[in-house]
Amino acid sequence: EIVLTQSPTTTAASPGEKVTITCLASSSVSHIYWYHQKSGASPKLLIYSTSTLASGVPDRFSGSGSGTSYSLTINTMEAEDVATYYCQQWSSNPWTFGGGTKLELK
Amino acid sequence: EVQLVESGGVLVQPGASLKLSCVASGFTFSDYWMSWVRQTPGKTMEWIGDIRYDGSYTNYGSSLKKRFTISRDNAKSTLYLQMSNVRSEDTATYYCSRVGGSTGFAYWGQGTLVTVSS
Repeated sequence: EIVLTQSPTTTAASPGEKVTITCLASSSVSHIYWYHQKSGASPKLLIYSTSTLASGVPDRFSGSGSGTSYSLTINTMEAEDVATYYCQQWSSNPWTFGGGTKLELK
Repeated sequence: EVQLVESGGVLVQPGASLKLSCVASGFTFSDYWMSWVRQTPGKTMEWIGDIRYDGSYTNYGSSLKKRFTISRDNAKSTLYLQMSNVRSEDTATYYCSRVGGSTGFAYWGQGTLVTVSS
């Protein structure tokens, strides 16, 4: 089973600040998927195939990486970005998720 | 608009069985693979399994396939999760999700809470 390790576990950013969340895979994966989950809501797809934004996702979000190291970047933090972010892999069964990164507003 | 509505979550005793449902609308259900994913109270996400668009093939996370069964009724646009011999560690919110080829878990329902406790 591929283990995905996210860092940091929790972070806080001021409006306008840049935020980077990393996802390290225990074995190489072809792509990483990113989801965000706001408090009390279900998860939503944010980025697929490493770097493609899901429909309606603002372009301040971006994804990159390859092999075992991937990252999600928010270029300019906004209050509505407060959420928990999860990475996920489809390369090796069972499909697995990272432990999540909770992003708060400073 | 794609909608997925789960139901069937309850408080059950260890060892019991229950069946969750997910009714889909806003898209042609029979065209898509579907999945179940659960989230524990500690917010850990776990993929349970998925089912091919015609129901002919299922794929499970290794730890759950002996107790959980995924099925679907395309005529009713409904996905099911049959859970047997439940344990306290099965306590979680259960989500159904439409799988989108290269796009991952593209849509999620609102979830249904299963609590296993004596």
